[in-house]
Amino acid sequence: DADVTQTPRNRITKTGKRIMLECSQTKGHDRMYWYRQDPGLGLRLIYYSFDVKDINKGEISDGYSVSRQAQAKFSLSLESAIPNQTALYFCATSDLNFNGLTDTQYFGPGTRLTVL
Amino acid sequence: DQQVKQNSPSLSVQEGRISILNCDYTNSMFDYFLWYKKYPAEGPTFLISISSIKDKNEDGRFTVFLNKSAKHLSLHIVPSQPGDSAVYFCAASSTGNQFYFGTGTSLTVIP
Repeated sequence: DADVTQTPRNRITKTGKRIMLECSQTKGHDRMYWYRQDPGLGLRLIYYSFDVKDINKGEISDGYSVSRQAQAKFSLSLESAIPNQTALYFCATSDLNFNGLTDTQYFGPGTRLTVL
Repeated sequence: DQQVKQNSPSLSVQEGRISILNCDYTNSMFDYFLWYKKYPAEGPTFLISISSIKDKNEDGRFTVFLNKSAKHLSLHIVPSQPGDSAVYFCAASSTGNQFYFGTGTSLTVIP
């Protein structure tokens, strides 16, 4: 079984709709992240969480919200989807290195979201 | 503003030869760098990392070089194999909390 899973894998929705992307992990990591990938822009950080009670905005958090329901679950919501949120979304988890900082990130397979 | 840049969107190399992927950054506070590899329909997977206290890190066929004065890092793959064909992302961090990714370089290794 995959260590980091994302649901759904593909989603087409309409402008103005609320949509939730879900991420689950079995790696036992405290740190979880949401990124989006756009052509020519690479991966950009939307939100990250270091534990259930800790949520932080990333580079591009406007238009998004998150919920950390448990150590293993981190959801990303688009309250009112718009076409420029069409992208590939990745969830990631990480452990800490010997310095107590984020070590390698483990990514889920991605969710392809299309907003019409 | 893109803090991590990969100026070559694509690269083609013959099997057995060396692949060199480049990455430039603008933030002098970055002190931890990683390379990720991504196949289609999959998430990125970690390849190799380097701390700013080093200028080279090697892992099998993969070597990462860091030139702090030039704010440049490169990934060398030697010898290149067809299975190395993928998109490669470099990433950098200054706090160990947020990572900034480059735009990716698509490597094709020709058999």
